[in-house]
Amino acid sequence: DAGITQSPRHKVTETGTPVTLRCHQTENHRYMYWYRQDPGHGLRLIHYSYGVKDTDKGEVSDGYSVSRSKTEDFLLTLESATSSQTSVYFCAISPRDVSYEQYFGPGTRLTVT
Amino acid sequence: EDKVVQSPLSLVVHEGDTVTLNCSYEVTNFRSLLWYKQEKKAPTFLFMLTSSGIEKKSGRLSSILDKKELFSILNITATQTGDSAVYLCAVETFGSSNTGKLIFGQGTTLQVKP
Repeated sequence: DAGITQSPRHKVTETGTPVTLRCHQTENHRYMYWYRQDPGHGLRLIHYSYGVKDTDKGEVSDGYSVSRSKTEDFLLTLESATSSQTSVYFCAISPRDVSYEQYFGPGTRLTVT
Repeated sequence: EDKVVQSPLSLVVHEGDTVTLNCSYEVTNFRSLLWYKQEKKAPTFLFMLTSSGIEKKSGRLSSILDKKELFSILNITATQTGDSAVYLCAVETFGSSNTGKLIFGQGTTLQVKP
């Protein structure tokens, strides 16, 4: 298994509070991604990073921000959580310099009440 | 708008059956098509296809891509209960910065009964 961890694995928070999810990799891959997974929508890309301090938006980026200050860590922040952001969040990494497939972390289940 | 559509959305079979899962796509800047298996946890990578007509095979699973008709199929022969999962199809598109993005279909939920 690819060396990807996510923290926390579960979180319950209240509407309006800030939340930060962390993705940590030990593979030294340049590319990292954040997805959310919801019933009926499959996996949707939120933001991705192609290097330290290099990030770009995905298809559902509104209400989310990201930061990558080190190769191994990619943070996803919900500035003011809303109930519509209740979801399972997956981080993924890709060894794009070698091949293009993405490998996923274990996921974080976030509930916004 | 880029789109990936999987069919059927769900499927129930008995052990030993052969199943075919479908994935069609409409995207700009196609780079590759990927299949993943998800069993109540993170998706795990199965195949990546970039060229038409070349079958990828791993045990009882195989997949092929048709870039002219814009679809792929995933075949599972002699199904087992351990094949029960959600199968996800994703298409990688690329932008001007050469960074790729995956666009996922809704997934096909396969249940294999003993």
